[in-house]
Amino acid sequence: DAKTTQPNSMESNEEEPVHLPCNHSTISGTDYIHWYRQLPSQGPEYVIHGLTSNVNNRMASLAIAEDRKSSTLILHRATLRDAAVYYCILRDGDFGNEKLTFGTGTRLTIIP
Amino acid sequence: DTGVSQNPRHKITKRGQNVTFRCDPISEHNRLYWYRQTLGQGPEFLTYFQNEAQLEKSRLLSDRFSAERPKGSFSTLEIQRTEQGDSAMYLCASSLRGAGSGSYEQYFGPGTRLTVT
Repeated sequence: DAKTTQPNSMESNEEEPVHLPCNHSTISGTDYIHWYRQLPSQGPEYVIHGLTSNVNNRMASLAIAEDRKSSTLILHRATLRDAAVYYCILRDGDFGNEKLTFGTGTRLTIIP
Repeated sequence: DTGVSQNPRHKITKRGQNVTFRCDPISEHNRLYWYRQTLGQGPEFLTYFQNEAQLEKSRLLSDRFSAERPKGSFSTLEIQRTEQGDSAMYLCASSLRGAGSGSYEQYFGPGTRLTVT
């Protein structure tokens, strides 16, 4: 799987938008961009994924650069419950095995 | 609650003992994955099943580890002759893989925390 690069940690104020960046300069044409998050003492939780176009769901938005070498997860209005480690992961949609290769992610702290 | 359950949630065992963990995936999901997570690290892939077939095993899965998924429903992960280095969170995930290409989200259970003393 192609590798991703994320900042180790970020802070944001409660009720403000949060933009979590991810670089994936070696992404291939069939790689999907997935985001998962892990709240303290829980298993990872799926957030969103996309291939080329920007995506929105009830949890977040995913903005994908035109060259697909970077992406940004957007939490529109952070709450204290959004404090978690956020993982950006590439998955080959043509390969079949969908194992997730986690890095160390970005630890997001929300300031009340 | 994602619908994936794992038991037990915590296990403390002495070095050299055998332990077995169980994962119950979301009922219609055909794929089941096991991961291991140590403190401060992201989860690491161990193995996965499509229905009852074990299709891939990581190099992390030594001969002391074995996983099964009889009848393509629940799965068990057994560790024989546990070592202190086996102390970790063991996570199970499931997904529904359809035909053709694409990418599908995985739903994780809460994990089983193993402590080997």
